[in-house]
Amino acid sequence: AQSVTQLGSHVSVSEGALVLLRCNYSSSVPPYLFWYVQYPNQGLQLLLKYTSAATLVKGINGFEAEFKKSETSFHLTKPSAHMSDAAEYFCAVSGSGTNAGKSTFGDGTTLTVKP
Amino acid sequence: DSGVTQTPKHLITATGQRVTLRCSPRSGDLSVYWYQQSLDQGLQFLIQYYNGEERAKGNILERFSAQQFPDLHSELNLSSLELGDSALYFCASSEGRGGGYTFGSGTRLTVV
Repeated sequence: AQSVTQLGSHVSVSEGALVLLRCNYSSSVPPYLFWYVQYPNQGLQLLLKYTSAATLVKGINGFEAEFKKSETSFHLTKPSAHMSDAAEYFCAVSGSGTNAGKSTFGDGTTLTVKP
Repeated sequence: DSGVTQTPKHLITATGQRVTLRCSPRSGDLSVYWYQQSLDQGLQFLIQYYNGEERAKGNILERFSAQQFPDLHSELNLSSLELGDSALYFCASSEGRGGGYTFGSGTRLTVV
């Protein structure tokens, strides 16, 4: 079975501050891991993905995430928050076998950016 | 424009009715996934099709069914609708296991 847990359903930061959104995964096989962003009234957009190459993955809009196998984590970070980063963020995992290609999503973290 | 097209964008219908949601995947993607997003349940996987064949099934009710046609577009059929079926329904497509999903903009279904 595969699953992800996003720690903190709401995160609030000031503009210019570090953004840290936490995600822990569970997978019986080496996982593929993803972060998506959803703006109001829109579909989800892929931010970045880990596919067993480099453990530090850079994505769009200045976001990056680090895969840590020992901690089963894939936290999303951005050095300096911008007002336009306010959105909901989802971590997802996909595996193999019956789960091949099918992603399981976390419950989401809503990021608020204060001026 | 993500390349995944969903129609209609909004749908309001009465309880007991039947609706069909349509999805055209991104060009070249063979896999189509359907998800339901609601405030209380989050993003729930419904069903996956790969090149016309059902590949995986999630928390899809028996009142719901889907198919993928030879041109790779997919339809999600929801019948005997209940108030609790009101939600956003997303279609996504992918090129393969590690590629991630490309989502459509969703269909907002309201059952009254």
